[in-house]
Amino acid sequence: AQSVTQLGSHVSVSEGALVLLRCNYSSSVPPYLFWYVQYPNQGLQLLLKYTTGATLVKGINGFEAEFKKSETSFHLTKPSAHMSDAAEYFCAVNGGATNKLIFGTGTLLAVQP
Amino acid sequence: DSGVTQTPKHLITATGQRVTLRCSPRSGDLSVYWYQQSLDQGLQFLIQYYNGEERAKGNILERFSAQQFPDLHSELNLSSLELGDSALYFCASSTGGSRGETQYFGPGTRLLVL
Repeated sequence: AQSVTQLGSHVSVSEGALVLLRCNYSSSVPPYLFWYVQYPNQGLQLLLKYTTGATLVKGINGFEAEFKKSETSFHLTKPSAHMSDAAEYFCAVNGGATNKLIFGTGTLLAVQP
Repeated sequence: DSGVTQTPKHLITATGQRVTLRCSPRSGDLSVYWYQQSLDQGLQFLIQYYNGEERAKGNILERFSAQQFPDLHSELNLSSLELGDSALYFCASSTGGSRGETQYFGPGTRLLVL
């Protein structure tokens, strides 16, 4: 079975500060991992994904994530937060034979001026 | 804009009723997915269709059913509605439905059951 744990349901950072959103996964097969962002009253938008190959993945809007198999983690980072980054972020795993996504509970990111 | 459209945007109905949610995938995408987002359950996968055939099933209640039509649009039917069915229902689509493909999400249908 596959599962995702996102530590911290709410994270607050100052504008210009480092953003770090944590995600740990459990998967019985090599995982494919995703980060999605959800802005208020909108659908989910893919930030980045890891399937195979390079473990450091770069996404849109300056975000990146590193797949660490030994730590079963896929944390999302951005060097400098912007006010427009305020949103809810979801980590997801696709570890089975199908393409269904198993989502974490989400982290609401607030950016303070 | 992801290219995935969902109608209606909002739906208010009463317990015991039946509703149909509609999804049109991105042009060229053959696979459609349905997810439910609620405060207590979070984001949960319901069901996946590929080119008209059911491909994968998640925690979808027996009162819920879905189908994908020859023109590739999909409908999610919810019947005997209960208060707990109030949620945001998302449709997503991908090219072929293979593992690891990016899923593009629609804006969702917000269902309120009174």
